[in-house]
Amino acid sequence: DAGVIQSPRHEVTEMGQEVTLRCKPISGHNSLFWYRQTMMRGLELLIYFNNNVPIDDSGMPEDRFSAKMPNASFSTLKIQPSEPRDSAVYFCASSLAGLAGGQETQYFGPGTRLLVL
Amino acid sequence: GQSLEQPSEVTAVEGAIVQINCTYQTSGFYGLSWYQQHDGGAPTFLSYNGLDGLEETGRFSSFLSRSDSYGYLLLQELQMKDSASYFCASLLNNRLAFGKGNQVVVIP
Repeated sequence: DAGVIQSPRHEVTEMGQEVTLRCKPISGHNSLFWYRQTMMRGLELLIYFNNNVPIDDSGMPEDRFSAKMPNASFSTLKIQPSEPRDSAVYFCASSLAGLAGGQETQYFGPGTRLLVL
Repeated sequence: GQSLEQPSEVTAVEGAIVQINCTYQTSGFYGLSWYQQHDGGAPTFLSYNGLDGLEETGRFSSFLSRSDSYGYLLLQELQMKDSASYFCASLLNNRLAFGKGNQVVVIP
């Protein structure tokens, strides 16, 4: 398997622009996670899907952020409008079973490095 | 706020042993996982402890004491490729929380 695939790998945009990050989870995994990583705040869970349904979006910072998972093989994280403080590395991860029990290994994609000017 | 606490950085020589500690809040705790992240890379899973005791995976071992709300990752026979950040992560109150990470720098 190719692993979790994310695109783009790097994104530079100007404040106010819309940013769309994409993720393809590992085939057969039914849980998908979006994380944001910064030096100041570390690795933060933004939202978690199970069987394409958003289960926990309490980590989404504000209404400018939205995430969708239209099918089992694709998810998007959208920021509209983007702000400089959104600059971070955004990781997508997938797992077989999700958060229940906590022991399911999460497989991370390579990340999207976002810079908002 | 941050639910898992880790010290920030340690430097050690090749062949040495390093212990990375992690303390966590107790409410809703399900177990402790450890992830490794090389600079510029993605986190990768190392180990998981659901019960008290030691789990060994090659040169790496992980320990959990639920009564002390404490765990650690032990890196043995350090190699240059072990230079990375190490994160503990746990399911707390049904949300996965990562510690800030501990950067390990291995020197010759």
